[in-house]
Amino acid sequence: AQTVTQSQPEMSVQEAETVTLSCTYDTSESNYYLFWYKQPPSRQMILVIRQEAYKQQNATENRFSVNFQKAAKSFSLKISDSQLGDTAMYFCAFIASGAGSYQLTFGKGTKLSVIP
Amino acid sequence: DTGVSQDPRHKITKRGQNVTFRCDPISEHNRLYWYRQTLGQGPEFLTYFQNEAQLEKSRLLSDRFSAERPKGSFSTLEIQRTEQGDSAMYLCASSSAKLYEQYFGPGTRLTVT
Repeated sequence: AQTVTQSQPEMSVQEAETVTLSCTYDTSESNYYLFWYKQPPSRQMILVIRQEAYKQQNATENRFSVNFQKAAKSFSLKISDSQLGDTAMYFCAFIASGAGSYQLTFGKGTKLSVIP
Repeated sequence: DTGVSQDPRHKITKRGQNVTFRCDPISEHNRLYWYRQTLGQGPEFLTYFQNEAQLEKSRLLSDRFSAERPKGSFSTLEIQRTEQGDSAMYLCASSSAKLYEQYFGPGTRLTVT
């Protein structure tokens, strides 16, 4: 069974600063995908970034980047130049594509507050 | 492409009643997923369809829950004899056959009184 752990229930960051959210996962699969999703207050889940396990290069999407450490089973999200609109719950998620499964396994989330 | 839509957005029901939720996926997506999210938790997988076939079901999906996707387009999730523990946000997501990323709808918030 796969598990995803987000050890920071809440974090805050000053506007324009950089913040890193942590995620670790446990799996015996070698082929998988990792995702970060953002869920703003009372709004729907939005895909932020994805990483394929077979790719060594860390994914980047504008101000969002990941630090993927496969051996350590770590997948952190860095948000640069934080904006007020980044205030949200952030969920790390995993799909064991090698097992033929399509279900996402989520962590419990990190509540990020961007302070003006 | 209008995204994943869900109806209703909110549902309040009394314990013991049946409820049905609808999800319309992104039009070209052939995979559709249902998740349940309780307060302060991440979403938990319930079930998954590829076209009209239901291919995965979680142990969370008790006998009171049933999902259908009759023509491979929209899907319904029915909960029979609702219990207070069923109060949650029910999320629908869809994805294409070629990619693993899932796109979520706004959810249906169920409150069982």
